[in-house]
Parts: sequence; structure tokens; C-alpha cells
Amino acid sequence: QVQLVESGGGVVQPGRSLRLSCAASGFTFSGYAAHWVRQAPGKGLEWVAVISYDGSKKYYADSVKGRFTISRDNSKNTLYLQMNSLRAEDTAVYYCARGGRGEEGAFDIWGQGTMVTVSS
Amino acid sequence: SFVLTQPPSVSVAPGKTARITCGGNNIGSKSVHWYQQKPGQAPVLVISYDSDRPSGIPERFSGSNSGNTATLTIIRVEAGDEAAYYCQVWDTSSDHVVFGGGTKLTVL
Repeated sequence: QVQLVESGGGVVQPGRSLRLSCAASGFTFSGYAAHWVRQAPGKGLEWVAVISYDGSKKYYADSVKGRFTISRDNSKNTLYLQMNSLRAEDTAVYYCARGGRGEEGAFDIWGQGTMVTVSS
Repeated sequence: SFVLTQPPSVSVAPGKTARITCGGNNIGSKSVHWYQQKPGQAPVLVISYDSDRPSGIPERFSGSNSGNTATLTIIRVEAGDEAAYYCQVWDTSSDHVVFGGGTKLTVL
């Protein structure tokens, strides 16, 4: 069935790095934009980044620009989020989500989320 | 940057109609998507492109968008509709996705 499965979350110290992965199955991954969205404990949804279907365009929230990098490997049906210089305020559940053909599309498929905790 | 404003909470009795608003400057010129999120679960798309209902979403859910306000309407509200609801747009001026702050729907 159509699904996204995140992995790579965990506990990390401030200033360190972490890479999240999101494995797609059940659809043509290369045909869709893909997003990362996060949710801090007890808070609302916060968009993190988007990558176009072919990887040629990438956009980031101001809060992570310069620290996080979104990428994809369409041959492996996998989306990535490289997170560097992590801060306590990056603590959140991170979701990957399927967008539309373009970056403005709705998020019609979501993963179950992976928790990232930044703490010393 | 573009801002979406939602009421923090809306309460409605079972069987009645709930309306959740999402305000933004000339939001009527943008496509609005709505998500439902229950505690401990990932969000689920309930309305896309202002008023399109994805497969599997009950007809009780509908959306509209005009002027400075988009609205998610749920008729014949059920206990299972109790959740947080978020509106979302793509802001072309900043190339950013923007989410509203979310509305907690309580079924009395």
C-alpha cells in the first residue's frame, strides 16, 4: 500500500548532527514533491523543507535554513533530512509527507513520524 | 511572511455544524488545504485546493475560500471528529509552506 516510513530519530546533544530517512513505497516516488514537517511537543505543525520531484528545487523554513539539508534518492525511493548544529528548539516529531507534482500541492500521504530530542 | 490565523478552539454539540476559520491577507487568491490530527497520530488531509475532498473523507466535510477567510465546515458533527485542524497554503512570495496555528475541535 501507499506509505511513508521515517527512521533515524533519537536523542542527540546540542550542536551535533542527525540524518533522518523516509522510505516511500506503493507509488511512483519520483513523481512527487516531498516535504518534512515537524511538531514540537504540545505544539502545532511547522513546515521544515520541501524538495521538488526531481531534486532540482529545495526550499527551507527560515528556522532551519543553513543548518538542515533536504535531499532525495529516487532510485532508492528515499527522502532524507540532514540536520546539523542541532538546537534544543529542534526537538520535535519529524514527519515526511508527499506533496503534489509541484511544491504547492497538498500533503496527501504522511509518515508516522520519528522523534528527535536535542538535549545534553 | 504570510500568516494564517485560526481560532485556538471551537466547541460544538454532536449533530450540529462546526465551522473552523483560517484568516490570511487575500487568502482567497491561494489554494488552501486542511488537515485533521488526532492525538498521537499523523495528520490526515481532509480538504485540498479549498474544497476538494480526498477519497475516504466523509461528505460531511467541506471547504470554502473567499476574500480573507477560508472555512472548513463539518456538518452533523460526531464524537470521532474531535481533533486538531490545521489550514495550510503555499506562499509564492517566499516559496514557503505556511500552516495555521491549529484549531482544537471539541465535541460537547
